[in-house]
Amino acid sequence: QKEVEQNSGPLSVPEGAIASLNCTYSDRGSQSFFWYRQYSGKSPELIMSIYSNGDKEDGRFTAQLNKASQYVSLLIRDSQPSDSATYLCAVQAGGTSYGKLTFGQGTILTVHP
Amino acid sequence: DTGVSQNPRHKITKRGQNVTFRCDPISEHNRLYWYRQTLGQGPEFLTYFQNEAQLEKSRLLSDRFSAERPKGSFSTLEIQRTEQGDSAMYLCASSPPGQGYSPLHFGNGTRLTVT
Repeated sequence: QKEVEQNSGPLSVPEGAIASLNCTYSDRGSQSFFWYRQYSGKSPELIMSIYSNGDKEDGRFTAQLNKASQYVSLLIRDSQPSDSATYLCAVQAGGTSYGKLTFGQGTILTVHP
Repeated sequence: DTGVSQNPRHKITKRGQNVTFRCDPISEHNRLYWYRQTLGQGPEFLTYFQNEAQLEKSRLLSDRFSAERPKGSFSTLEIQRTEQGDSAMYLCASSPPGQGYSPLHFGNGTRLTVT
């Protein structure tokens, strides 16, 4: 079992729709969770962080965390073509992990006009 | 606010040659990480520095790979006797000190192509 797994893609949604991206993780000691967006040929860019159970909203983005189910998701409302990118789920373990992130394989999102 | 800077942006080398990449983290960040990313995959952790000390190395980091961070500022990643399988994007990231958890800030990466 991979440490961090993301729902298989690619995911294609029409402009204006809600895009839903999912991620599960295996380490129950994980403390912090991040979503990065990566455009083709570019480096990952942080878009959301979440540390406690529940929802966290930032503009069109909502991150959801359920530690009991070891599940984290990202919802993108009113999707725009500029949201087309690879979305990476990243998990940060607790303890002396020095803040190291473990990434999922990424989900490619395409928003078509 | 200057971000994480990596040089060169692209490197093409022949198999068997040595290459060295440089990373300059955000100035107040004492934590520095190297990751490797191949096409269609998420970044994979290679190594971590806190100040000048290399505190963790991945099993992915073979003996041909060495990283340094003299004086706790910039870092270099050297790959000796490159192989075609080393072709990847090499990403450097940094984060600030402190007990709390904070996200990593990535540089633009160095894309290595081994021919």
